[in-house]
Amino acid sequence: AQSVTQLGSHVSVSEGALVLLRCNYSSSVPPYLFWYVQYPNQGLQLLLKYTSAATLVKGINGFEAEFKKSETSFHLTKPSAHMSDAAEYFCAVIAGGTSYGKLTFGQGTILTVHP
Amino acid sequence: EPEVTQTPSHQVTQMGQEVILRCVPISNHLYFYWYRQILGQKVEFLVSFYNNEISEKSEIFDDQFSVERPDGSNFTLKIRSTKLEDSAMYFCASSAEGTTEQYFGPGTRLTVT
Repeated sequence: AQSVTQLGSHVSVSEGALVLLRCNYSSSVPPYLFWYVQYPNQGLQLLLKYTSAATLVKGINGFEAEFKKSETSFHLTKPSAHMSDAAEYFCAVIAGGTSYGKLTFGQGTILTVHP
Repeated sequence: EPEVTQTPSHQVTQMGQEVILRCVPISNHLYFYWYRQILGQKVEFLVSFYNNEISEKSEIFDDQFSVERPDGSNFTLKIRSTKLEDSAMYFCASSAEGTTEQYFGPGTRLTVT
């Protein structure tokens, strides 16, 4: 069975600073990995996905994530935080081989951006 | 841009009552899902649906829950007899054939009193 661990339930950065949100996964088969963002009182929006092509994945709003098999990690980064990035971010995994499978989510990381 | 829609946005019901949560997936999508998020907890998978039948369900999805695609556009989640612990945000999602990404609706906040 697959699982996801997000290190840090809260991350606080200054506007313009690097954003780093950590995600580690476990999966018995090569996984599909995703980052979703949830703004207050809204649904989940897909930021980016890894599906065994390039290990560095670029997403919307300037975010990117790098798949590192040796570290079983899929950390989310953004070079320069913007106030509008304040939201909750979820890492999620689907076990490889079943593209339509269930998403297993991490517990989420709330990102706060200070002026 | 096509999106998943859900109604109602907020439902308040009394314990023991039946509720139906409605979703309209993206029109050319074939896979449908329900997830829920209890306040302060992670998003949890409930059920997936394909070709008019359940593909997979979690332990949460017991006999009190059912899903249906009554017509070509709607996808519903029914809770037969609600409990206090069913209070949560319920998200519908859909995905297209041959793709991995699931697109989520805005959610229905269910409050059971």
